[in-house]
Amino acid sequence: QQQVRQSPQSLTVWEGETAILNCSYEDSTFNYFPWYQQFPGEGPALLISIRSVSDKKEDGRFTIFFNKREKKLSLHITDSQPGDSATYFCAASAETGGYKVVFGSGTRLLVSP
Amino acid sequence: GPKVLQIPSHQIIDMGQMVTLNCDPVSNHLYFYWYKQILGQQMEFLVNFYNGKVMEKSKLFKDQFSVERPDGSYFTLKIQPTALEDSAVYFCASSLGDRANERLFFGHGTKLSVL
Repeated sequence: QQQVRQSPQSLTVWEGETAILNCSYEDSTFNYFPWYQQFPGEGPALLISIRSVSDKKEDGRFTIFFNKREKKLSLHITDSQPGDSATYFCAASAETGGYKVVFGSGTRLLVSP
Repeated sequence: GPKVLQIPSHQIIDMGQMVTLNCDPVSNHLYFYWYKQILGQQMEFLVNFYNGKVMEKSKLFKDQFSVERPDGSYFTLKIQPTALEDSAVYFCASSLGDRANERLFFGHGTKLSVL
């Protein structure tokens, strides 16, 4: 059972457009949702994160929208740049003893100039 | 910024052999993790480790897998014996604490090819 689901699997946008990456989760105990960005040949790096007490988190061109009732969230990348081309992982964790971050399957974003 | 180093970057071995993947975590971090990634897809949690002990492991962490960090040296993942399905990229990560909002710092991965 996949606890964190992402869609689409891949996405292509033109430079300057807004890319929207979707994520949903199953476990209602999840209360922290980081998004990691991964470039080819590198490990994932934290991009932006949100806690379940918030419904929006903004950092420059990157914004997370969070809907706790529907267990859904999305990452919006405005004014997309070719350098944003990467794989984006939605992840989730819970403060319920032990600690692990559960990753989704990723969305591969390509920004065409 | 803080860096996690993984050695080697690529390892090719024959099925049935033993392999050790090495990780040099961020110097003041206390929690260490291994993740497995196949074909650039989902990052699968394997294990986390703190104070010399495995804290949590997933079903992917088979009996053939073991982790240790002797005397504050490398944090290692050992697979003995290896199987074809162990071929993947293995990412090491570390964090300062174990709260749910702790940031994980990942290495660049070790690509393991089991022939």
